[in-house]
Amino acid sequence: LAKTTQPISMDSYEGQEVNITCSHNNIATNDYITWYQQFPSQGPRFIIQGYKTKVTNEVASLFIPADRKSSTLSLPRVSLSDTAVYYCLVGALGYQKVTFGTGTKLQVIP
Amino acid sequence: GAVVSQHPSWVICKSGTSVKIECRSLDFQATTMFWYRQFPKQSLMLMATSNEGSKATYEQGVEKDKFLINHASLTLSTLTVTSAHPEDSSFYICSATIRTSGGGTDTQYFGPGTRLTVL
Repeated sequence: LAKTTQPISMDSYEGQEVNITCSHNNIATNDYITWYQQFPSQGPRFIIQGYKTKVTNEVASLFIPADRKSSTLSLPRVSLSDTAVYYCLVGALGYQKVTFGTGTKLQVIP
Repeated sequence: GAVVSQHPSWVICKSGTSVKIECRSLDFQATTMFWYRQFPKQSLMLMATSNEGSKATYEQGVEKDKFLINHASLTLSTLTVTSAHPEDSSFYICSATIRTSGGGTDTQYFGPGTRLTVL
């Protein structure tokens, strides 16, 4: 299983763009990168998933360099409601188990 | 996205009793479901992988006789905490997988979690 490393915590002011980087040096060829958001006492919520280059949806962008050993989740113009823990997972998800890392606790400041 | 529900959302029980938690995929069929446990201010820890129609696969250190998992249908998996004790108090979360449209890989969708408190 690919191990991931993320910053433990980050602070950001409202309205700013936030970039959270995840390291996954031993990512396998068939692994995908998936990011989840978790609020206290709730299950993780799917944000975005990608394999390479750039993926964008209505809430975030995911940047993956050519070597795929890291990835960056970009949240545009964060608001207070984006305060949460963000997890980066790597694996051929679904039928294979994954390991949750420590996650990044994002605190958005007014 | 796909919806996964859990019931109950919270439960308080006395030590020594058993508690059943249900996990349902509401709008899709899930061959595989996962059960996690999360203690306060910690990350999710995988307990077991639940496959429809077969025995669950437990992670090292998780007692299969204490945490009984049944995956009787493609939309329902249950976790029973038998003879619960205060140290079993935790947040239990299930997830179900669905094939991402356009191919590629599967994606896990998580339930809202169940808060278990054992007195």
